[in-house]
Amino acid sequence: EIVMTQSPATLSVSPGERATLSCRASQSVSSNLAWYQQKPGQAPRLLIYGASTRATGIPARFSGSGSGTEFTLTISSLQSEDFAVYYCQQYNNCLTFGQGTRLEIK
Amino acid sequence: QVQLQESGPGLVKPSETLSLTCTVSGGSISSYYWSWIRQPPGKGLEWIGYIYYSGSTNYNPSLKSRVTISVDTSKNQFSLKLSSVTAADTAVYYCARHPYDILTGYEYYFDYWGQGTLVTVSS
Repeated sequence: EIVMTQSPATLSVSPGERATLSCRASQSVSSNLAWYQQKPGQAPRLLIYGASTRATGIPARFSGSGSGTEFTLTISSLQSEDFAVYYCQQYNNCLTFGQGTRLEIK
Repeated sequence: QVQLQESGPGLVKPSETLSLTCTVSGGSISSYYWSWIRQPPGKGLEWIGYIYYSGSTNYNPSLKSRVTISVDTSKNQFSLKLSSVTAADTAVYYCARHPYDILTGYEYYFDYWGQGTLVTVSS
């Protein structure tokens, strides 16, 4: 099983600032990596797929990068609605998620 | 706009079988892969398994011995059965769709999700 490790577990950032979230795979997943945002009481929402392609309707302030084992989700200028939990998911070999990064208001 | 809705009992007794159904509306269940994912309270996401509309399946190895996913294309539904449940199976259960990309074919991330349903395992 490919283990996905996200860091940090919690990230405190002020509105308007940049947030950088990391996701590491235990073995290469090529570019088969997606990012999701989850707010309390809601289902996850697809943000990024193919490591760097924004899903339909996702604002340009969200960007993804990386390939192989190291991936990054960057939110360029945090809005109030961006504070949530973010998960990465690999789909190169079976399907596994990271444990999540909680993005909180500083 | 595709919508998914989970339904089923919210309480299941230990050692019994958990049964849930996902109803797809706003689009056909045909020509797509469909998954079940779960999330224990306050914890992360775990993929359970997926089914193709034709009936072929793939399950998470950690749950494979207890999971059955089936599809009913006439009702635009697919279903989950998880046997011999314990308290560790208490979770919000989501159904979700895998997209088809015209350039790359079937993809295994999730583009549409149901709202989720909490299933508690308790006597």
